[in-house]
Amino acid sequence: DAGVTQSPTHLIKTRGQQVTLRCSPKSGHDTVSWYQQALGQGPQFIFQYYEEEERQRGNFPDRFSGHQFPNYSSELNVNALLLGDSALYLCASSPYRDRNNQPQHFGDGTRLSIL
Amino acid sequence: DAKTTQPPSMDCAEGRAANLPCNHSTISGNEYVYWYRQIHSQGPQYIIHGLKNNETNEMASLIITEDRKSSTLILPHATLRDTAVYYCIVRATGTASKLTFGTGTRLQVTL
Repeated sequence: DAGVTQSPTHLIKTRGQQVTLRCSPKSGHDTVSWYQQALGQGPQFIFQYYEEEERQRGNFPDRFSGHQFPNYSSELNVNALLLGDSALYLCASSPYRDRNNQPQHFGDGTRLSIL
Repeated sequence: DAKTTQPPSMDCAEGRAANLPCNHSTISGNEYVYWYRQIHSQGPQYIIHGLKNNETNEMASLIITEDRKSSTLILPHATLRDTAVYYCIVRATGTASKLTFGTGTRLQVTL
């Protein structure tokens, strides 16, 4: 049973460029959440997708956008990259109707470096 | 979601029990306590969660005080592979709401 998978594992971009990160959720999960983790900090919630719509959003600018596909996989897009966008980007999945409060499961992230 | 407070770091000798405390004095009645850990260069790994009763699984035990204002994660026999940052999170029940991470406790297990 595959867990959450993310690609690529590492990425280097320059300021002003655009980037797309990808996530495949754990089997049986229909909800995908994205988090940004700066060095030495805990992960910060970016947004969550369910039924191909953004359901919750954290305090991130519109440069951060996303998409969810019918197979529940998801993409995170970041435009006009800034040096401060350098971070580990984590994807987590869970069932939306978590009546048993099932935990979110995380992938190992994409390490994005901005030069 | 309620805010949590954890010590920034702790040490534990290998083979001994590691007891990691967490304060969540503003927790609401519908909020669960979750524990995750993050080993260097990996994503957060789910450990255990509970509402008001003590919980145990193959990884750890979770002790929640009767007033639910604090909890303790117990790793009964710590090994070097348990060295990680441990996060205590409170989260509302229901639909898959977001997780709000603090800075966690860095546990160093030593020989």
